[in-house]
Amino acid sequence: AQSVAQPEDQVNVAEGNPLTVKCTYSVSGNPYLFWYVQYPNRGLQFLLKYITGDNLVKGSYGFEAEFNKSQTSFHLKKPSALVSDSALYFCAVIGRGGFKTIFGAGTRLFVKA
Amino acid sequence: NAGVTQTPKFQVLKTGQSMTLQCAQDMNHEYMSWYRQDPGMGLRLIHYSVGAGITDQGEVPNGYNVSRSTTEDFPLRLLSAAPSQTSVYFCASSQNQGANTGELFFGEGSRLTVL
Repeated sequence: AQSVAQPEDQVNVAEGNPLTVKCTYSVSGNPYLFWYVQYPNRGLQFLLKYITGDNLVKGSYGFEAEFNKSQTSFHLKKPSALVSDSALYFCAVIGRGGFKTIFGAGTRLFVKA
Repeated sequence: NAGVTQTPKFQVLKTGQSMTLQCAQDMNHEYMSWYRQDPGMGLRLIHYSVGAGITDQGEVPNGYNVSRSTTEDFPLRLLSAAPSQTSVYFCASSQNQGANTGELFFGEGSRLTVL
């Protein structure tokens, strides 16, 4: 069975500092990996995805994520955090040939001015 | 461009009542799904559909029914509501899943309270 782990309930960073939100996954075969963001009282919005190819994926709002097959990780990163990045972030995975997107529990990012 | 539309946005039910959460998408997406979001548990997949006439169970299907008579609509039915079904429900669609690895487009959510 596929699963996603986000080990941190909350990440706190100062505005202008780099941020990392961690994600590890478990799936049979090669995965499709995603990051989504949720602002208060809204649905989730797609940020970026890894399907194949370059391990460093760039997405919306200056976010990027690095796929590491040996560590089964897909950490979300941004070089310089903004207060407006404060939100709930979800990592998600689809197993190859599967039809179910499985989400992690979410990590709340708080960026302090 | 409406995207994914969910109704109602808020609903309060008594235990044992039935109701249907509506979901419609105007992007001609083949894949549609329903999730519930509970604090500390992320999103859990209830049911999904890969096309009209085809549905399947997700992680937490008990207590919920779905049907997919058209490409656009994917209603979620609670036949006899229980307090454990108090949650925020999200409908999501994708051009495809698996073969095309499409990202999900989400509705704004439906907050359900069962007393």
